[in-house]
Amino acid sequence: GIQVEQSPPDLILQEGANSTLRCNFSDSVNNLQWFHQNPWGQLINLFYIPSGTKQNGRLSATTVATERYSLLYISSSQTTDSGVYFCAVRSGGSYIPTFGRGTSLIVHP
Amino acid sequence: GAVVSQHPSWVICKSGTSVKIECRSLDFQATTMFWYRQFPKQSLMLMATSNEGSKATYEQGVEKDKFLINHASLTLSTLTVTSAHPEDSSFYICSGVGVLNQPQHFGDGTRLSIL
Repeated sequence: GIQVEQSPPDLILQEGANSTLRCNFSDSVNNLQWFHQNPWGQLINLFYIPSGTKQNGRLSATTVATERYSLLYISSSQTTDSGVYFCAVRSGGSYIPTFGRGTSLIVHP
Repeated sequence: GAVVSQHPSWVICKSGTSVKIECRSLDFQATTMFWYRQFPKQSLMLMATSNEGSKATYEQGVEKDKFLINHASLTLSTLTVTSAHPEDSSFYICSGVGVLNQPQHFGDGTRLSIL
């Protein structure tokens, strides 16, 4: 099946810093989502982005489907950005999503 | 955006008890529901996929008689952990999707603790 790798696995930032999270996948995808899991376990849908670029406030994402990667940008990070960021993809005709192992982000005040 | 309501959010019960977790899609029809289990500091592990009106498809290693999944309508799916034991303690999360090319939407999860 498709492989999904996220990097870095861990990230520690000072409030106000910018960061880039990466998601590489081993096959073509027709569905890619970025999620933020907050410290209480809730999974928040950030972007549905099988291709192209989207922005939502301080967050933006770019997926280059032909090169099999997606990037999540966090600008002017805040302590509330702390948590785990997951990338999940679906490929072919499958409903089954495949998750990466996540990037754990800690933002210090 | 689309909302999935998952209840209960926290359950503590004695070993041997059966526990039912409900997952409802509030403003869309969830043709497919996914049930995940998550251990501390790990990614989500898919347990099973259910389509409305059909039997669930379980991932390898997941006991279907232990984890009963029902998806009787387009807005409700349930996971019943039968005769739960301490090793079943975990964080369980559901998600729903309407059609293939649409994003999946997650419930807030259920923390299950078996004493």
